[in-house]
Amino acid sequence: NAGVTQTPKFQVLKTGQSMTLQCAQDMNHNSMYWYRQDPGMGLRLIYYSASEGTTDKGEVPNGYNVSRLNKREFSLRLESAAPSQTSVYFCASSGWQGEETQYFGPGTRLLVL
Amino acid sequence: DQQVKQNSPSLSVQEGRISILNCDYTNSMFDYFLWYKKYPAEGPTFLISISSIKDKNEDGRFTVFLNKSAKHLSLHIVPSQPGDSAVYFCAASPHNNDMRFGAGTRLTVKP
Repeated sequence: NAGVTQTPKFQVLKTGQSMTLQCAQDMNHNSMYWYRQDPGMGLRLIYYSASEGTTDKGEVPNGYNVSRLNKREFSLRLESAAPSQTSVYFCASSGWQGEETQYFGPGTRLLVL
Repeated sequence: DQQVKQNSPSLSVQEGRISILNCDYTNSMFDYFLWYKKYPAEGPTFLISISSIKDKNEDGRFTVFLNKSAKHLSLHIVPSQPGDSAVYFCAASPHNNDMRFGAGTRLTVKP
């Protein structure tokens, strides 16, 4: 089992460019999440998907969109990247809505110039 | 607003001694608390959790204590080992998907 995988590992974008961060899990989990981690801020929830076909905003959703493609995959899209979106992005999954233990991917480091 | 606070950005202890990491929270709706451990260039990994109906949970060298009246929890590592050196995140949830994390404490265990 690979657990939670994320691609790419690292990306550099110019302001205004778009990109999609990919996430997949092989644990048959229902819920998936996207977080960003910034220095001194801990992890902040961007969007989550409690089950296939549903998505909801988290604490910091502005500037992002998500797609729950199927049970395994949950993507995060930046339509027009801004320097404020420079961060490390983590995808996570958990067994069911409300199960607190989440399993994290290795992260995507994004630099927006 | 930071609902989960880890006021010590770093902590250094000697191998074999106790490490105590602290966490405070402000939201009284939180009823489940977790600690995650993170190594550089890796995602956080789950370490230990506690429900609000308990005040202590133990797993090997790791013990989490919860003081609901003070809205405070702590993680004790005894004995500390060099491999425990990592960033530790406290997290809290009101039993839904809206988990909030602290900013993390970097623990260094010196041989």
